[in-house]
Amino acid sequence: NAGVTQTPKFRILKIGQSMTLQCTQDMNHNYMYWYRQDPGMGLKLIYYSVGAGITDKGEVPNGYNVSRSTTEDFPLRLELAAPSQTSVYFCASTASVYNEQFFGPGTRLTVL
Amino acid sequence: AQKITQTQPGMFVQEKEAVTLDCTYDTSDPSYGLFWYKQPSSGEMIFLIYQGSYDQQNATEGRYSLNFQKARKSANLVISASQLGDSAMYFCAMRALPNAGGTSYGKLTFGQGTILTVHP
Repeated sequence: NAGVTQTPKFRILKIGQSMTLQCTQDMNHNYMYWYRQDPGMGLKLIYYSVGAGITDKGEVPNGYNVSRSTTEDFPLRLELAAPSQTSVYFCASTASVYNEQFFGPGTRLTVL
Repeated sequence: AQKITQTQPGMFVQEKEAVTLDCTYDTSDPSYGLFWYKQPSSGEMIFLIYQGSYDQQNATEGRYSLNFQKARKSANLVISASQLGDSAMYFCAMRALPNAGGTSYGKLTFGQGTILTVHP
């Protein structure tokens, strides 16, 4: 059982480039989330989804976009990367709002 | 809006001793859940323990227990018999739970974390 997987593990972008962070879960969870963790800080919610075709903004959505075409996948798109987006990105999923969230291993992104 | 405060940037404990990591919260939601996650130096987020706001007893999971004091809005994590492998960053988090007529999507609000170092 793979749980939540994220690719890539590391990435360096130049200012203005774009990329997609991939997230896949094999637990048939409806709820999925994207968080970012800046150095020495806690996690902040970027976007979330409550099911295929349904997404909404979190606390820090600017500069990001998401889609949810299937239950399994929840990609995060960065358009026009900026140094302020240097962070570690975590994807998470849960079966219901009463359960704990399962986190992926994270993607470490550096924008230079 | 929800807010989590962890006032201890770093804590030190001797191996085999107990340690308490502090967490206070603020919310206007009538029902909520409190979580503790561990983040070792490898970076992954590991779920430790959960406490619901209406749970009558404090949660326990092995060496972890949650000292929940609702009136004080605190949810401290107690680790008994510390081990060298407990050295990590620890995060307190909360989320609103659905209530009558309301919605909740399980979004977590995190504190800034406490770095725990266990000395041999």
